[in-house]
Amino acid sequence: AQTVTQSQPEMSVQEAETVTLSCTYDTSESNYYLFWYKQPPSRQMILVIRQEAYKQQNATENRFSVNFQKAAKSFSLKISDSQLGDTAMYFCAFMTSGGGADGLTFGKGTHLIIQP
Amino acid sequence: KAGVTQTPRYLIKTRGQQVTLSCSPISGHRSVSWYQQTPGQGLQFLFEYFSETQRNKGNFPGRFSGRQFSNSRSEMNVSTLELGDSALYLCASSLDRGGYNSPLHFGNGTRLTVT
Repeated sequence: AQTVTQSQPEMSVQEAETVTLSCTYDTSESNYYLFWYKQPPSRQMILVIRQEAYKQQNATENRFSVNFQKAAKSFSLKISDSQLGDTAMYFCAFMTSGGGADGLTFGKGTHLIIQP
Repeated sequence: KAGVTQTPRYLIKTRGQQVTLSCSPISGHRSVSWYQQTPGQGLQFLFEYFSETQRNKGNFPGRFSGRQFSNSRSEMNVSTLELGDSALYLCASSLDRGGYNSPLHFGNGTRLTVT
């Protein structure tokens, strides 16, 4: 079974700063997908960024980028020029490529607070 | 395009009762997945339906069941409710199975409280 660990329960930074959220995972699979989801107070989970394990290039979506270290099983999220609207719970998630038999496996989440 | 719609948003039930939650996926999406979110266990996969068939199931007792209709709408049923079933139940839809090639789109969830 896969496990996802987010070691930072809560983080707080000032607006416009850069922040990095940590995620490590454990799997014996070689092909899989990694995701970062954001859950604001509205409760809706929103996909922030995804990474295919077979791609060495780190994924980037505007102010969001990842540092994917496959050997270390590490998948951190960097948010540049943070904005008040980035305040939310952030979940790291894992899915195998074999049909997603176990669905998404989520970490416990990091509560990110952006201070004005 | 309308997003994933879950009804009701809030529900209060008594132990021993049963409950049915509804999820309408984004138009054209054929896969619907359900997740349970609790403070203690976090987010856990319940099951996935695709083309009216349950494709995958998480580690939950048989009291948790679901179905998908021909229009891809899905319902989730929990029978003989227990206090521990109190949770936010999230539904997600995607074009194809699995949610890795086509991303999962989540609804706002149904907050179930069992008393």
